[in-house]
Amino acid sequence: DGGITQSPKYLFRKEGQNVTLSCEQNLNHDAMYWYRQDPGQGLRLIYYSQIVNDFQKGDIAEGYSVSREKKESFPLTVTSAQKNPTAFYLCASSISVSGANVLTFGAGSRLTVL
Amino acid sequence: AQTVTQSQPEMSVQEAETVTLSCTYDTSESDYYLFWYKQPPSRQMILVIRQEAYKQQNATENRFSVNFQKAAKSFSLKISDSQLGDAAMYFCAYLFTTSGTYKYIFGTGTRLKVLA
Repeated sequence: DGGITQSPKYLFRKEGQNVTLSCEQNLNHDAMYWYRQDPGQGLRLIYYSQIVNDFQKGDIAEGYSVSREKKESFPLTVTSAQKNPTAFYLCASSISVSGANVLTFGAGSRLTVL
Repeated sequence: AQTVTQSQPEMSVQEAETVTLSCTYDTSESDYYLFWYKQPPSRQMILVIRQEAYKQQNATENRFSVNFQKAAKSFSLKISDSQLGDAAMYFCAYLFTTSGTYKYIFGTGTRLKVLA
């Protein structure tokens, strides 16, 4: 079945450590996104990539980095510079459907900083 | 700036009854799309329904329908014959293009409880 796989589902990190969240899709979608979800807030865009080897900062990119070396993969690194990294992270990809860019989401990764 | 507001943090509905979730948005664009996404306890977001702003007809997907009022910038979701599986967070989202890029703005969500 086609979809988006995020791993790990749960991750614990000590302060000062970098961690990388994996996102893989087999939908052949060109665009991929990383969102952060906090309680009581909507999804906030961290980074997005419309094609391989290209990506742009979203609204809250500080303390995060990404790469897009393959169409299928869009890993997110949460660096030690991210002041409040404990959150739920959602990866998504998209394809245009009748002009609308419909998002398909992964199951998410929960990061907790100890 | 574009914004999306969901003024109901939580709603409850009896099984088999109808419930309406509210969403308002602010934009100066004339061409855009609106969506409702569902996030069940598994936390994987699922598309419920979408509406193109240029279409006057309200979108419908089985038990889910929207009331799209473009002039009022309102986009409510009606769930008919509510089922236990409808219990979830529901997010309203607005999609527009800027400089050739698609951008989504999400509301803060409404938690729907379905009572047996």
